[in-house]
Amino acid sequence: EVQLVESGGGLVQSGRSLRLSCAASGFTFDDYDMHWVRQAPGKGLEWVSGISKRSDNKPYADSVKGRFTISRDNAENSLYLQMNSLRAEDTALYFCARASKIALRLFDYWGQGTLVTVSS
Amino acid sequence: EIVLTQSPGTLSLSPGERATLSCRASQSVSSNYLAWYQQRPGQAPRLLIYGASSRATGIPDRFSGSGSGTDFTLTISRLEPEDFAVYYCQQYGSSAFFGGGTKVEIK
Repeated sequence: EVQLVESGGGLVQSGRSLRLSCAASGFTFDDYDMHWVRQAPGKGLEWVSGISKRSDNKPYADSVKGRFTISRDNAENSLYLQMNSLRAEDTALYFCARASKIALRLFDYWGQGTLVTVSS
Repeated sequence: EIVLTQSPGTLSLSPGERATLSCRASQSVSSNYLAWYQQRPGQAPRLLIYGASSRATGIPDRFSGSGSGTDFTLTISRLEPEDFAVYYCQQYGSSAFFGGGTKVEIK
């Protein structure tokens, strides 16, 4: 069974940093691209960033470019998101999502999310 | 950037009724790279439809997708209690943009 479990969220002051993690199991992790998608309270979904299987391609949404860094450790079956210079508008539930084999930005499995709250 | 506009914002229906949800793109969606997701309260999104009309693994056949170019539709033929949720369309071609969502609520 595919499982994605996020962790690392919490309350942080504006301008500070936070690192999110996503532990993957139930599939061959290094065979899939992975992504982070976020959802502000009561709002819709926003793609944040993705990373290819070998970490050679890492696109970012304009809203986080230069502040967030995505990475992965295939030996540990883990995905990460380093978030620096956090802003109030980064407050959201952050989901880890697996890219399907059908298309690189089609998400076939999602974690339950970890909540990041940025206080100003 | 492709902007996806979903309508209506809220759909109030009774169990057993048919639901028709719309997703309109600001420009043509290449190769019909259009997906639909369901999000129940407090849960993660679940992939329902991809390629505009293909059902994802395990999705009941009461869910169907149609459309091409800039106009897409998700139809739920007979609403079950577990179908009351928020539905998002997504373009997954060159990037990954989501629509604002349609909430299907119990009338």
